Amino acid sequence: AQKITQTQPGMFVQEKEAVTLDCTYDTSDPSYGLFWYKQPSSGEMIFLIYQGSYDQQNATEGRYSLNFQKARKSANLVISASQLGDSAMYFCAMREGGYSSASKIIFGSGTRLSIRP
Amino acid sequence: EAQVTQNPRYLITVTGKKLTVTCSQNMNHEYMSWYRQDPGLGLRQIYYSMNVEVTDKGDVPEGYKVSRKEKRNFPLILESPSPNQTSLYFCASSPTSGGAPGELFFGEGSRLTVL
Repeated sequence: AQKITQTQPGMFVQEKEAVTLDCTYDTSDPSYGLFWYKQPSSGEMIFLIYQGSYDQQNATEGRYSLNFQKARKSANLVISASQLGDSAMYFCAMREGGYSSASKIIFGSGTRLSIRP
Repeated sequence: EAQVTQNPRYLITVTGKKLTVTCSQNMNHEYMSWYRQDPGLGLRQIYYSMNVEVTDKGDVPEGYKVSRKEKRNFPLILESPSPNQTSLYFCASSPTSGGAPGELFFGEGSRLTVL
């Protein structure tokens, strides 16, 4: 069965340091997609980055990169040079199946990241 | 502006009083879904829809109904709300081509309290 696990309920990081948010997943489908979303205190959900199961390269979007280790079933989010505005809840999510079969898209329990000045 | 609109944003109601949370998207997305967010549990999928007249249960469908009569609208119905349905609800939509496959576009959320 599909499962997403985020083992860090909360993290504190000094401004300008890099931070890694952990995410492990479980699926028996060879085709899947992995996502990270940010939820600031205002409550909206913001898409950050996507990694497809067949993508050869790790995804990057500005200061965000996804450390995809397929054999270990992990999809950690790396934020380089953290900023105060990065303080938020972060969710890892997975879509099982190919693109046209977007069905269950499940989320982890989230990690609350706090950046210290 | 491309968006997903939910209404109401905030609602306090009483046990048993039927309510509907509306969701509308203007991006012509085929896929739409409802989630509830509870502390420590992340977002849990309630129902989803692959297209008009096609809906299916997510992980926590009990106590909820949905319909998809038009592509743009996906209302969430609580026939007889109970206090355990107090939660923050998100509607989301996704295209089935282009972009990041399955990227969800979220509404702003609806905070529901059932007394």
